[in-house]
Amino acid sequence: GESVGLHLPTLSVQEGDNSIINCAYSNSASDYFIWYKQESGKGPQFIIDIRSNMDKRQGQRVTVLLNKTVKHLSLQIAATQPGDSAVYFCAENLSGGSYIPTFGRGTSLIVHP
Amino acid sequence: DADVTQTPRNRITKTGKRIMLECSQTKGHDRMYWYRQDPGLGLQLIYYSFDVKDINKGEISDGYSVSRQAQAKFSLSLESAIPNQTALYFCATSDRTADNFYTQYFGPGTRLTVL
Repeated sequence: GESVGLHLPTLSVQEGDNSIINCAYSNSASDYFIWYKQESGKGPQFIIDIRSNMDKRQGQRVTVLLNKTVKHLSLQIAATQPGDSAVYFCAENLSGGSYIPTFGRGTSLIVHP
Repeated sequence: DADVTQTPRNRITKTGKRIMLECSQTKGHDRMYWYRQDPGLGLQLIYYSFDVKDINKGEISDGYSVSRQAQAKFSLSLESAIPNQTALYFCATSDRTADNFYTQYFGPGTRLTVL
């Protein structure tokens, strides 16, 4: 199957800065994308999702952008806080009954106070 | 996520032992999954189940087996543990949205060490 990849394995930012985490996907048929946050010692937690019929979706301090032309996904975190330090995974999926999401390796976000 | 629980949270065992990891959920979801995570890597799918009577192999099922005892329970067994099965194991559930998308919800994980 096709895979999801991340551009950077580690991203270091200063507290208060905005963070951008990128993700490339290769399956042009994927129509559903999810970002997960995994804190140390915990399971991945759902952050935000986006359907392929959208270019942008906003949550609380987070925004996901989808560029289907270049098969690129990004997660923007505004005013990054130390509690945002975690590994962030993107996952791609297909709507319908039998599909299983494909996860990328993850990007480690380190927020310096 | 307290709705998905895993036991034990940590386990140290020896090569050749049979190990069972248990997962329970109160979300009422039909679909359940077992994943393995190695340091610096993403999640690899071991087995998944779309309902009580449905069991499917994932990408790395060799050396593992599962049992779906009920909608709420999905167990993973290592028949004869080996050191390279040392990893974090996650259980997940998912349910369908109104527009036919599935989002997964993960348990807290089990850290397994095979000596």
